[in-house]
Amino acid sequence: DTEVTQTPKHLVMGMTNKKSLKCEQHMGHRAMYWYKQKAKKPPELMFVYSYEKLSINESVPSRFSPECPNSSLLNLHLHALQPEDSALYLCASSQPRSRGLNNEQFFGPGTRLTVL
Amino acid sequence: SQQGEEDPQALSIQEGENATMNCSYKTSINNLQWYRQNSGRGLVHLILIRSNEREKHSGRLRVTLDTSKKSSSLLITASRAADTASYFCATDAGIQGAQKLVFGQGTRLTINP
Repeated sequence: DTEVTQTPKHLVMGMTNKKSLKCEQHMGHRAMYWYKQKAKKPPELMFVYSYEKLSINESVPSRFSPECPNSSLLNLHLHALQPEDSALYLCASSQPRSRGLNNEQFFGPGTRLTVL
Repeated sequence: SQQGEEDPQALSIQEGENATMNCSYKTSINNLQWYRQNSGRGLVHLILIRSNEREKHSGRLRVTLDTSKKSSSLLITASRAADTASYFCATDAGIQGAQKLVFGQGTRLTINP
C-alpha cells in the first residue's frame, strides 16, 4: 500500500467552528508532514513529525494544532480560523532521513478548506 | 524565503515535443527533488538527484544538477497530453532526521494535442 489518504476531501467551516483534518498512511513511514497550498502557489511546510514527535513547526499560528496519535495517523485540529486560511491542505509521509540520505515524500490528495 | 525558483512559470508545447524546466536555489543541498501536481491534487514524486550526482534518468525524464551554479533542469522527452501539470523542484533544508522541503514556484506545463 503506497497511498496516503486524507479526509475530508472538502471542508467548509465558519470562523467559530472547530474541525479536524485527518491523514493516514500504512507504508511504515515514521515522518509525516502538513503543508498548506494556496492557489497557483507552491506547497508551504507547516509541521513535521518524526517518530511521532513534533520536530518542525514553521511558526504556524496556534489556531492550527497538529497531533500524531500513532505512527500511521496525523491530525490537524482547526479552531477560530480566518478566511485567509482557505487553501489546500496536503499531508505527506516519508522515511526519516538517515545517514545523510533523503527520501521521497508521498503526498495525499489534500483537503480543500474554505473558511467563511 | 523561497529556496527554489523556477523558469519558465508557464510552458505550452505541442504533443511529441520536449519540455525543459529550470530550477535555481540559494543554499547548499543534500539533494534536489522534482514533483508533479495535477490540478488541485496531491503531488507525485518524479525523481531525486543527490548533490554528488550530475545527471539522472527515469523513463522519459532527465534531470541535471549543477551545484556550482546552484541550478537543476528537468527535461521531459516526447511529451504527451497526460504530462499536462505543474512541476515543482524542491530542496531539503532540514537538519538531522527531519526533511524540510522548500518548493520552487513551479512551472505550469500544457501539452497541446
